[in-house]
Amino acid sequence: QSALTQPASVSGSPGQSITISCTGTSSDVGGYNYVSWYQQHPGKVPKLMIYDVNNRPSGISNRFSGSKSGNTASLTISGLQAEDEADYYCNSYTASYTRVFGGGTKLTVL
Amino acid sequence: ELQLVESGGGLVQPGGSLKLSCAASGFTFSDSTIHWVRQASGKGLEWVGRIRNKANNYATAYAASVKGRFTISRDDSKNTAYLQMNSLQNEDTAVYYCTGGETAARTWRECWGQGTLVTVSS
Repeated sequence: QSALTQPASVSGSPGQSITISCTGTSSDVGGYNYVSWYQQHPGKVPKLMIYDVNNRPSGISNRFSGSKSGNTASLTISGLQAEDEADYYCNSYTASYTRVFGGGTKLTVL
Repeated sequence: ELQLVESGGGLVQPGGSLKLSCAASGFTFSDSTIHWVRQASGKGLEWVGRIRNKANNYATAYAASVKGRFTISRDDSKNTAYLQMNSLQNEDTAVYYCTGGETAARTWRECWGQGTLVTVSS
């Protein structure tokens, strides 16, 4: 199972919106509505931001939203804030009954 | 509050074995699916495997990179999951996390342990 494809880095200014893509195949992202997104600050434990494509856990800001089209899922962060600077990982269920992560995207807030 | 605590990490020689534990509290462990995820220093997250609950026959699944070498098990009476790692290789060096959760009020609640470091080196 190959890792899902994410851009290595994205950047944006405070207040702006950014979108991080996560591309897989019909055997993972495209085949199931089980895509999650995680935020990880340096030296910290990953934190779930979005599950099942577009659902936010309790306590997660509505500035974070998820979507999916075909084999590509996306995480959008609106009203970018300095504390959003972190690594972001997507994760999908697969047809092999396993899960797979994306390679990760480093978000820089300019 | 959901909590997971890993233990058992350490230094092991190539070809050796190690067993990690993941102790849960704050949620109904026996109903949950537990995943193991690892992260090598400076690298991304890698899904290692998972074990489902009794209702799903404790079904396990593994990443190709560890299949046949790693085994996940659980003891619901102790609220603990395990990751038995055999034939360890240098590339298995990483921080290992366990993760799990539950649905409450129609919302998924998930937690991760703090991680335990496994170093494979001679």
